[in-house]
Amino acid sequence: EDQVTQSPEALRLQEGESSSLNCSYTVSGLRGLFWYRQDPGKGPEFLFTLYSAGEEKEKERLKATLTKKESFLHITAPKPEDSATYLCAVQVVGTGTASKLTFGTGTRLQVTL
Amino acid sequence: KAGVTQTPRYLIKTRGQQVTLSCSPISGHRSVSWYQQTPGQGLQFLFEYFSETQRNKGNFPGRFSGRQFSNSRSEMNVSTLELGDSALYLCASRDSYYEQYFGPGTRLTVT
Repeated sequence: EDQVTQSPEALRLQEGESSSLNCSYTVSGLRGLFWYRQDPGKGPEFLFTLYSAGEEKEKERLKATLTKKESFLHITAPKPEDSATYLCAVQVVGTGTASKLTFGTGTRLQVTL
Repeated sequence: KAGVTQTPRYLIKTRGQQVTLSCSPISGHRSVSWYQQTPGQGLQFLFEYFSETQRNKGNFPGRFSGRQFSNSRSEMNVSTLELGDSALYLCASRDSYYEQYFGPGTRLTVT
């Protein structure tokens, strides 16, 4: 069974204090790994897709990396507006699985002044 | 382009009733997927529709069903509602690539 585990469950940072969120996965065959951001009461907002080990993607203060077992979301010099729940999801290889995402339970990030 | 839209945004139903939720995908997107989000189980895949055909289904009982219309709009139906069906129901659409874009969700409360 495909599994996605995110850690920590919650993280509190001061503005400017960089850190990393972890997403470890166990799947039969990885097609892609996705990062989303979700604000309270809203749908997940797409951030990144990573397809192969060694791949990295950046957007503003966020950088996502991928290895064969896990992915990291690095947050550099975060601001209060970065506060949200960050979700990791995997998509596995297989017929008709292109839209089936298996999600982790998320990391709740709070950035304070 | 306009994003994924879902209606209604909030819904309160009584146990035993049925409910229909609607989703309009991003223009040009032919795939629509539905997810259930609860505090205990997180985000779970319900099913995917592509060109009016169900392509994949998650581990949910038959009370959960859906359909897709020729304009790619999709509806999800839950019959004989149970208290445990209270959740945020999310719709996502994608084009030929793998990235899925989510709507704001419908918050269903079953009393």
